[in-house]
Amino acid sequence: EPEVTQTPSHQVTQMGQEVILRCVPISNHLYFYWYRQILGQKVEFLVSFYNNEISEKSEIFDDQFSVERPDGSNFTLKIRSTKLEDSAMYFCASRPGTAGNQPQHFGDGTRLSIL
Amino acid sequence: DAKTTQPNSMESNEEEPVHLPCNHSTISGTDYIHWYRQLPSQGPEYVIHGLTSNVNNRMASLAIAEDRKSSTLILHRATLRDAAVYYCILRVIQGAQKLVFGQGTRLTINP
Repeated sequence: EPEVTQTPSHQVTQMGQEVILRCVPISNHLYFYWYRQILGQKVEFLVSFYNNEISEKSEIFDDQFSVERPDGSNFTLKIRSTKLEDSAMYFCASRPGTAGNQPQHFGDGTRLSIL
Repeated sequence: DAKTTQPNSMESNEEEPVHLPCNHSTISGTDYIHWYRQLPSQGPEYVIHGLTSNVNNRMASLAIAEDRKSSTLILHRATLRDAAVYYCILRVIQGAQKLVFGQGTRLTINP
């Protein structure tokens, strides 16, 4: 069964550094998402992406964050200048198309640790 | 986003059925009821969804109240692998269709 893959599984970065988290969504999916989960807390929506542009973003997704689909397969989340509070699991998800009841498929996440 | 209410935790025994409740009294007519689960150290995993009628798939069954203000996820025969946090989520069908996760129900399965 096709799956969403995320790399790296664990990223350790110094505070203030830039980090790029990578995702390969399921082929032929059209909608892409990033969520994060701080240790012990809820999964939180960050951003959704469709047709090469952001379709919705949360308050968390400020100017330090950006997303890109640089080619036909990858979907990246960049944090420009990391803060300690950015430490979390980051999950990528994708969904097939426009039908309203299609589920999202999640990757197993990247654990981001900011030192 | 319409809110759901779930018990913080539940416990069951292996090979017994499990009924996980969810209240969603403010559900609107176009909200789908989705269930996801999150196994330890993994991303959320889709389980099942429905709108008005009860639904079955290979993983579980979803029973939806007639007034749609509550639903129950049914695992017919729990295994140790079903130990996870289960999330009941109302999904609007317009826009980006983001998922809004609550705290979910942490299900423990005893051998």
